[in-house]
Amino acid sequence: IVMTQSPATLSVSPGERATLSCRASQDIGSRIAWYQQRPGQAPRLLMYEASSRATAIPARISGSGSVTEFTLTISSLQSEDFGIYYCQQYSQWPLTFGGGTRVEIK
Amino acid sequence: EVQLVETGGGLSQPGGSLRLACRVSGFAVSDNHMSWVRQAPGTGLEWVSVIYGDNTEIYAESVKGRFTIFRDNAKNTLYLQMNSLSAEDTAVYYCARGPYSTTWMGFDYWGQGALVAVSS
Repeated sequence: IVMTQSPATLSVSPGERATLSCRASQDIGSRIAWYQQRPGQAPRLLMYEASSRATAIPARISGSGSVTEFTLTISSLQSEDFGIYYCQQYSQWPLTFGGGTRVEIK
Repeated sequence: EVQLVETGGGLSQPGGSLRLACRVSGFAVSDNHMSWVRQAPGTGLEWVSVIYGDNTEIYAESVKGRFTIFRDNAKNTLYLQMNSLSAEDTAVYYCARGPYSTTWMGFDYWGQGALVAVSS
């Protein structure tokens, strides 16, 4: 399953909304996770099952979608939200990641 | 506190072998899916392998027949034996819990990563 993320780069001012998209090449139901990776760090799980927040993830981060179209929304961007965001499907083996969206603080 | 600590990375010549270890504290590796995920320099994430609680192993096509995932329950440690290494295997290798622990949820705990470089 190919996961396609858009846009490649997103430049957002603090306090503004950021919307990241991920498209699956076939139906994955809700079996999608989102991760944030900051430079030099391991990825951090943000969302799973499309819309469930992982432990300690703030409410300003939310996920939605099903089947093949998915969205991660950061409602009010904070400085710690910079980094690269990856979507990943766990509906079928092999598990696959999207190519990432780089979020820059404007 | 949950911790995953990888060791064993380093430099290998093409065709060589390396073994990565991931020592886990805070949960039992035998009770969870445990995976390896890698990231080549400047690129995205690639899932490599998973081992289930019942010892079922699944591999990405890119490493099948060359890499072996296994664990030592007594040491609560996950391993990745990497043989016939090529330059394309150069990456930071992460161990991670998942994609299933208490539910299907992706990878909720990650190690700090171990750098594997393959070069002559």
